[in-house]
Parts: sequence; C-alpha cells; structure tokens
Amino acid sequence: GAVVSQHPSWVICKSGTSVKIECRSLDFQATTMFWYRQFPKQSLMLMATSNEGSKATYEQGVEKDKFLINHASLTLSTLTVTSAHPEDSSFYICSARLGGNQPQHFGDGTRLSIL
Amino acid sequence: DAKTTQPTSMDCAEGRAANLPCNHSTISGNEYVYWYRQIHSQGPQYIIHGLKNNETNEMASLIITEDRKSSTLILPHATLRDTAVYYCIAADRLGNEKLTFGTGTRLTIIP
Repeated sequence: GAVVSQHPSWVICKSGTSVKIECRSLDFQATTMFWYRQFPKQSLMLMATSNEGSKATYEQGVEKDKFLINHASLTLSTLTVTSAHPEDSSFYICSARLGGNQPQHFGDGTRLSIL
Repeated sequence: DAKTTQPTSMDCAEGRAANLPCNHSTISGNEYVYWYRQIHSQGPQYIIHGLKNNETNEMASLIITEDRKSSTLILPHATLRDTAVYYCIAADRLGNEKLTFGTGTRLTIIP
C-alpha cells in the first residue's frame, strides 16, 4: 500500500518552455502533498506544501509564480515549472500523506534537464 | 522541527546488522522520529517511525532512548540492496507536517 506515482520520470526540454509534473497517490487519498527539489550531491529541499482545494504554501525563496502547484483532487497534485531555465534543472520529488499519524510516502522523482 | 545529527558515512558487512545512530537532543514532546532512505536516483523510501517506544516492522527496528535524545535504526541482516543514504528526521505530526532532510548517513554494505 501507500504508493505514490510521479510522471514523467525524466524530461529534457528547451529553455523557456513550461513543464508539468504529475504526482498521484494510487491507493489512498492524500489530504496533503509536498513538492521537494534535490540538486546533485545535496539533500532534499521542501519547495511547497499542497492541500487539496486550497492554495499551496511555498517555502521561503521559492517563487510561487514560477512553480505553479495545483491540487485539484485528493489523489492528484501537479507542479508546473514555467519558463524553465537551465538553473531549474534538478530532481523534483513529490510526497503524499493520508493524514493523522501516517508518514509521507514519496514518488520516484522527475529528473528535469533544461537545455 | 528538532535538528538531527547523523554520521556522514558508515560501512557494514553483508549479512551483519547495520546500526545507524541519530542524535536529536532538542526533540520536543510531540515530535516523532522518522527514518527514510534514498537509493541513488530514486525518491526516499519510508522505513519506520516512532514517538518513544521501540518499534519494529518488516524492514527495521527503531530503538529510542528513554530521554528521547537519540535513536538507532537497526537493519537486522544487511544486504547489498540496503546501500543508500539514510535520513533521520524529527517532525511534529500535530501541526507542522513538514519533513526537513539533513545530509543523512551514507551506508555502504560491503560484500
């Protein structure tokens, strides 16, 4: 149980394009989803917290207009990197949790490369 | 969230028990201790969590000291597939649900 699916696994695109990443909880309804970013040889950094039906809460230093988060249902959250540039190249990982005392479960990540 | 301190790296022989320590001396009463691991190029995998009692599941055991200032994750029979970065995280489940990842311990299982 507690499977989180992330799509796509990797994407390469040109500078200036927008990229959408999907995060789905496959066998449970997630009240909260989280988006992280991980640069090479570094740890995960939380970008934003997403609650179904409400606006995401962004961490300090994360541009909300650049990283658009939509959490339209209890099983799906999307992260759109708008007008992506090479410095946005990173490993983006989502997680989801049921609530209460349940832990977060992570997707397998999306490796984004901007040329 | 309480800050945690872990050794940067550890080695363990295949088949032996791997004991990964974590210090969380400033942990508060409503913070749980969570353990995750990350195998190269994958998302973190949940291992176990606990508040003050020792916990065991199919993956590992978690031993928390009585004063809750430190804990040890035990992988009873390490295999090569257990090679990963292990993260110990103290997080408040009641209000702040955020997980703050430190640098973790890079565990290498030696054949």
